[in-house]
Amino acid sequence: GNSVTQMEGPVTLSEEAFLTINCTYTATGYPSLFWYVQYPGEGLQLLLKATKADDKGSNKGFEATYRKETTSFHLEKGSVQVSDSAVYFCALKDNYGQNFVFGPGTRLSVLP
Amino acid sequence: DAGVTQSPTHLIKTRGQQVTLRCSPKSGHDTVSWYQQALGQGPQFIFQYYEEEERQRGNFPDRFSGHQFPNYSSELNVNALLLGDSALYLCASSYWDKRLIQPQHFGDGTRLSIL
Repeated sequence: GNSVTQMEGPVTLSEEAFLTINCTYTATGYPSLFWYVQYPGEGLQLLLKATKADDKGSNKGFEATYRKETTSFHLEKGSVQVSDSAVYFCALKDNYGQNFVFGPGTRLSVLP
Repeated sequence: DAGVTQSPTHLIKTRGQQVTLRCSPKSGHDTVSWYQQALGQGPQFIFQYYEEEERQRGNFPDRFSGHQFPNYSSELNVNALLLGDSALYLCASSYWDKRLIQPQHFGDGTRLSIL
């Protein structure tokens, strides 16, 4: 079945550091890939998406590139801020259904 | 433009009881999905409703049931509650999309605690 694997957290960085959160997936066909962010006490917010191989999703300084050859969708940001502290979820949606499969989440803490 | 709204925000029940959670989708959306998010884990898909019918279902027992109303709002019902049902229950809405690329918009969830 479909699955998503993320690097284990928590990830603790200093402000302005470079961020990478690894995400790899297993799916049949060509899924769409997403990153969601969850702030404390809130639901999930869409951060970015990519729908086909080599697509790059970007938003608020975050980027991720759909790499079919490595089945990966790593999240990056060049300079993190304290306000980026949250839990980040990688997710996929396959070609056969409307539901999402989420990874376990990676907690990011950014220190001033 | 209201986003996805869920009620109640918090709920405490005891084992064996029944619970109903409610969700109003984002304006213009016609599809509602429900997810269970246990503490420290990613959301797990429960089921999805479109045109008042259950269209897809995840690996959850029949104790979990749902309904969608003509105004697209939805309810999640859980019978015979177990301690393991304690979780954040998330509702997500979207357009029914045959191209399967539209993202889902999530509510803030209902925190269900079973004593």
